[in-house]
Amino acid sequence: EPEVTQTPSHQVTQMGQEVILRCVPISNHLYFYWYRQILGQKVEFLVSFYNNEISEKSEIFDDQFSVERPDGSNFTLKIRSTKLEDSAMYFCASRPRTGGNQPQHFGDGTRLSIL
Amino acid sequence: KNQVEQSPQSLIILEGKNCTLQCNYTVSPFSNLRWYKQDTGRGPVSLTIMTFSENTKSNGRYTATLDADTKQSSLHITASQLSDSASYICVVNSGGYQKVTFGTGTKLQVIP
Repeated sequence: EPEVTQTPSHQVTQMGQEVILRCVPISNHLYFYWYRQILGQKVEFLVSFYNNEISEKSEIFDDQFSVERPDGSNFTLKIRSTKLEDSAMYFCASRPRTGGNQPQHFGDGTRLSIL
Repeated sequence: KNQVEQSPQSLIILEGKNCTLQCNYTVSPFSNLRWYKQDTGRGPVSLTIMTFSENTKSNGRYTATLDADTKQSSLHITASQLSDSASYICVVNSGGYQKVTFGTGTKLQVIP
């Protein structure tokens, strides 16, 4: 069964540095998402992306964050100047088409540790 | 404010026993409700999805119920197995782009 793959599985970065998290969604999917999960807390929505533009974003997704789909397969999340509180698991998800009954398929996440 | 509350926070049961996990939500407008299973260190995996008009949905040993009037859902696991040990997350969707609100999860541990 096709999977959403995320790389790297663990990223350690110095505070203030830029970091790019990468995701390869399932190939025929049209909707893409990023979520984060701070250790011990619930999963939080960051952003949804459709038709090469952001369709919705949360309050967490401020100017430090950006997403893009540079080559039609990868879907990236960039954090420009990382802060300690950005340490979390970041999950990418994708969904095949419009219609509320299609589940989002999640990757296994990238654990981001900011030092 | 949209909220999804789950109970209990954690649960330990013996292998072979049944259990029921609860989810209460205040999300509006309501599109659908999903239950996910999240193994430690892995991403969530969808178990069931229910829209407003559905009040029960099964997936193997997992049966979810939905009462849209009281805004409550439950996930019943029958004949639990050791591999059922995981966090179970209730997720409510609203809006066309699937704006989601996640519950805090119930951490289930099945012991021999």
